[in-house]
Amino acid sequence: KNQVEQSPQSLIILEGKNCTLQCNYTVSPFSNLRWYKQDTGRGPVSLTIMTFSENTKSNGRYTATLDADTKQSSLHITASQLSDSASYICVVSAMDSSYKLIFGSGTRLLVRP
Amino acid sequence: NAGVTQTPKFRILKIGQSMTLQCTQDMNHNYMYWYRQDPGMGLKLIYYSVGAGITDKGEVPNGYNVSRSTTEDFPLRLELAAPSQTSVYFCASRASGNTIYFGEGSWLTVV
Repeated sequence: KNQVEQSPQSLIILEGKNCTLQCNYTVSPFSNLRWYKQDTGRGPVSLTIMTFSENTKSNGRYTATLDADTKQSSLHITASQLSDSASYICVVSAMDSSYKLIFGSGTRLLVRP
Repeated sequence: NAGVTQTPKFRILKIGQSMTLQCTQDMNHNYMYWYRQDPGMGLKLIYYSVGAGITDKGEVPNGYNVSRSTTEDFPLRLELAAPSQTSVYFCASRASGNTIYFGEGSWLTVV
């Protein structure tokens, strides 16, 4: 069964600190993996998209990594800001039907001053 | 360029009532989607469309219907609302590339 699991479920860090969020998936055959940021009460916004051949991709202070062999991805946030407080969602799509995105349940990040 | 626009933002329905969630996009995207997001859960696909006149079921289509008469609009209809349909609904669209754009969400409560 295609699944995407994220950890931790929630995380609290102090402003200025770094953090890493994890995503493990069992989707096969793999097409791409996306990270989204979802602010409370808003729709998800794309951060990164990675295909099978990409190991890392950055978007400002956000850096995503992908290990297609172990089916793991991480999202690293550097020098966190209060505005980083949000849910971060890992989404994986399968090669056979790219419209079918399998969503993780997200990691809820709270950045405190 | 407004992106993906959903209405209404909030709605309370009584059991058995019907309603339509509106979704429109101004990016000329062929692909459009409806998802629901329950508390603490990942988004689940209700229906999707690959172009005007073409729709298909997602993972959780029961209790919903859609139509796609134009490229811009993809309304989601709830017939005979049930408490299990209390959720947040997101409409999304994309072109042939991979970036998916989401609307701001519609909060629906069925009482």
